Amino acid sequence: GAGVSQSPRYKVAKRGQDVALRCDPISGHVSLFWYQQALGQGPEFLTYFQNEAQLDKSGLPSDRFFAERPEGSVSTLKIQRTQQEDSAVYLCASSSSRLSYEQYFGPGTRLTVT
Amino acid sequence: DQQVKQNSPSLSVQEGRISILNCDYTNSMFDYFLWYKKYPAEGPTFLISISSIKDKNEDGRFTVFLNKSAKHLSLHIVPSQPGDSAVYFCAASASGGGADGLTFGKGTHLIIQP
Repeated sequence: GAGVSQSPRYKVAKRGQDVALRCDPISGHVSLFWYQQALGQGPEFLTYFQNEAQLDKSGLPSDRFFAERPEGSVSTLKIQRTQQEDSAVYLCASSSSRLSYEQYFGPGTRLTVT
Repeated sequence: DQQVKQNSPSLSVQEGRISILNCDYTNSMFDYFLWYKKYPAEGPTFLISISSIKDKNEDGRFTVFLNKSAKHLSLHIVPSQPGDSAVYFCAASASGGGADGLTFGKGTHLIIQP
């Protein structure tokens, strides 16, 4: 069975550009999470979906960050007008139910803003 | 303000010996703790977890100990093997049901010396 996949794996954007990062969770997983991992740090929570509902977006750093999961499966994290401080690895994770603590992570998308 | 702290950025252990990785937390609402292992260019992989109602959980070579009064947990790996060389993240959840983003420490880079 396939794990969590993310695309692209690497993205270079010029400051001010918009980017879209995609996450394909494990099939049938209800919960989906996005994290941001800066260099030398642990992952930091951005937002959480249960099916298509975005139940928590408290970790999104600004209104330039937007996430969606319209059909309760694939999710997209969009960053508008990227800035240098947005450079990080963006990790997506999924879990089988809202009762499950164990989250399964994708390989991440490394975003570099120049 | 770091709620989950891993104070050792790196740890070097000889193959065959015990590796002990430590983690401290400040939020008394955390009720579930997890350890993740991460290789370069990959996402974190779930290793072992423990509920706050327990003080020990064992899975093969891996044992996690929880001391609630000290707000401290540790991961023991016995015996250490070369493939254990990776970055280990301690993570915690306060959701009471798993529907929550995890709070991670900064990680400890474990190096197993042959």
